[in-house]
Amino acid sequence: GQSLEQPSEVTAVEGAIVQINCTYQTSGFYGLSWYQQHDGGAPTFLSYNGLDGLEETGRFSSFLSRSDSYGYLLLQELQMKDSASYFCAGWDSNYQLIWGAGTKLIIKP
Amino acid sequence: GAVVSQHPSWVICKSGTSVKIECRSLDFQATTMFWYRQFPKQSLMLMATSNEGSKATYEQGVEKDKFLINHASLTLSTLTVTSAHPEDSSFYICSAAKQGGDTIYFGEGSWLTVV
Repeated sequence: GQSLEQPSEVTAVEGAIVQINCTYQTSGFYGLSWYQQHDGGAPTFLSYNGLDGLEETGRFSSFLSRSDSYGYLLLQELQMKDSASYFCAGWDSNYQLIWGAGTKLIIKP
Repeated sequence: GAVVSQHPSWVICKSGTSVKIECRSLDFQATTMFWYRQFPKQSLMLMATSNEGSKATYEQGVEKDKFLINHASLTLSTLTVTSAHPEDSSFYICSAAKQGGDTIYFGEGSWLTVV
């Protein structure tokens, strides 16, 4: 079947760097997206990788390696407001969005 | 694991007709379901929050008479796009909150094309 795997929870310290990994198994693949969701809110789009490599947007970067079926979201200079759930989602060959279960990022002072 | 299923995955309808999209939680009870629409490379836009047994709560700017939401049971919510127009063409996705839990599970999404 098609699935995306990511850790359920990650803990980091304010000001540090954290990486959230996402591995996937899909038949055909058209890119990996990352979303941030704060408690009670709707997911907001962070980044999209359609090709291999690193995409950087401010403190957030996302990486994709299609040969390894692997991607990650990198958050730098962590702030308390970054405490949220982070979802990876992949577009498969049927143009369906397959979601990971989400990673809860806990940031400690 | 928990699974949320949407149906249909794809639908094409004529302008002026109505189309219904179903969202089912397959192995858990969901007191709350969320409906979103998404345009390519943009964030999901929350349209409404669907509560079982009560009226849905719509986000500002979403026409409740156009996007009818029914959450008749703890495992099923439906979104009906009434009098669809080409500008309603979009990717609609639902998510469900597990009763008593703090995790939200997303459906696969439904592509609506209005011609």
